Amino acid sequence: AQTVTQSQPEMSVQEAETVTLSCTYDTSENNYYLFWYKQPPSRQMILVIRQEAYKQQNATENRFSVNFQKAAKSFSLKISDSQLGDTAMYFCAFMKLAGGFKTIFGAGTRLFVKA
Amino acid sequence: NAGVTQTPKFRILKIGQSMTLQCTQDMNHNYMYWYRQDPGMGLKLIYYSVGAGITDKGEVPNGYNVSRSTTEDFPLRLELAAPSQTSVYFCASSGQLQETQYFGPGTRLLVL
Repeated sequence: AQTVTQSQPEMSVQEAETVTLSCTYDTSENNYYLFWYKQPPSRQMILVIRQEAYKQQNATENRFSVNFQKAAKSFSLKISDSQLGDTAMYFCAFMKLAGGFKTIFGAGTRLFVKA
Repeated sequence: NAGVTQTPKFRILKIGQSMTLQCTQDMNHNYMYWYRQDPGMGLKLIYYSVGAGITDKGEVPNGYNVSRSTTEDFPLRLELAAPSQTSVYFCASSGQLQETQYFGPGTRLLVL
């Protein structure tokens, strides 16, 4: 069975600085996707970034980038130039490509961006 | 496109009551999912569907039932509500690019 671990329950960062959120996962699958979702106080789940396991190049979306280490089963999220609107819960998630595309979520990291 | 819509937004149930959480998507997506999110936790998959007429269990299916008679609708049924089912419930869907899931706004359920 797959598991996703986020070891940082809570983090804070000063506005305009950079922060990295950690995620590790365990799987015997070779083909899968990894995601970071943001959940602001509104509770809406918002996809931040995704990474295909077969791609060696790290995904980037504007201020958000990942460090994907497949052998180490590590998938960290870097947020550059942090903004107050980045304050939210961030969930790391794993999806295997067989068996209905089920997604396993980590417990989340609560990020506070301070002015 | 409204995307994924869920009703109701909030509901209080008494122990033993039943209810149906509604989920509708207008994106013609084949894949639909129900998750629950307990306080301070990530989402756990309850049931999912890969198309009309096809459903399967996720991680935490006990106490729930689903049906998928149309592509658009994927209702979640609670037959005998228990306090352990107090949670926020999210419906999601995905289409051709199955890896991108679109989430509804959630239904907060309180069982007392």
